[in-house]
Amino acid sequence: DGGITQSPKYLFRKEGQNVTLSCEQNLNHDAMYWYRQDPGQGLRLIYYSQIVNDFQKGDIAEGYSVSREKKESFPLTVTSAQKNPTAFYLCASTVDRTNYGYTFGSGTRLTVV
Amino acid sequence: GQQLNQSPQSMFIQEGEDVSMNCTSSSIFNTWLWYKQEPGEGPVLLIALYKAGELTSNGRLTAQFGITRKDSFLNISASIPSDVGIYFCAGLPGPNFGNEKLTFGTGTRLTIIP
Repeated sequence: DGGITQSPKYLFRKEGQNVTLSCEQNLNHDAMYWYRQDPGQGLRLIYYSQIVNDFQKGDIAEGYSVSREKKESFPLTVTSAQKNPTAFYLCASTVDRTNYGYTFGSGTRLTVV
Repeated sequence: GQQLNQSPQSMFIQEGEDVSMNCTSSSIFNTWLWYKQEPGEGPVLLIALYKAGELTSNGRLTAQFGITRKDSFLNISASIPSDVGIYFCAGLPGPNFGNEKLTFGTGTRLTIIP
């Protein structure tokens, strides 16, 4: 079955460490997105990519980095510069940049310890 | 970035009751979407609305695109236990040329009391 796989489901990070969250899709979708979700808030866009080897900053990109070397993969690195990284991270994809019926992954919960 | 205002923030209802929630914006949106998120999962698209005044149903769910383009409504009839979750609205402010970013609401948490 096609879908989006995020891993790991739970991740613990020590302060000052970089961590990378994985997002893989086998839907042949062009566009991929990373969102951050905090309790009581909506989803906030971190980065998005509409095509391989290209990506754009979202509303809260500071302290994060991404790459899009393959169509199927859009990993997110949470760097030590992100001051409040504890959150639920969601990856999404869609057929192309004009289609907003996103397919979401099941998320990664990152906790700083 | 802008966020949409959803209300209520949370709802506690009994099984079988109808549910209404809404989403408002200070600016015009040209597309409205409604998603549902279950605990520990990603949101799933329920209904998409593309035209002011449009009323669209998906089973027991009905959503409307407000005539002012600044609001949208979601109704759930005869709620059942599997309706539990967080419901998000999302909007697209401009013409859909692919460069606009989707804005999400703050969510309405639905709990069903046994």
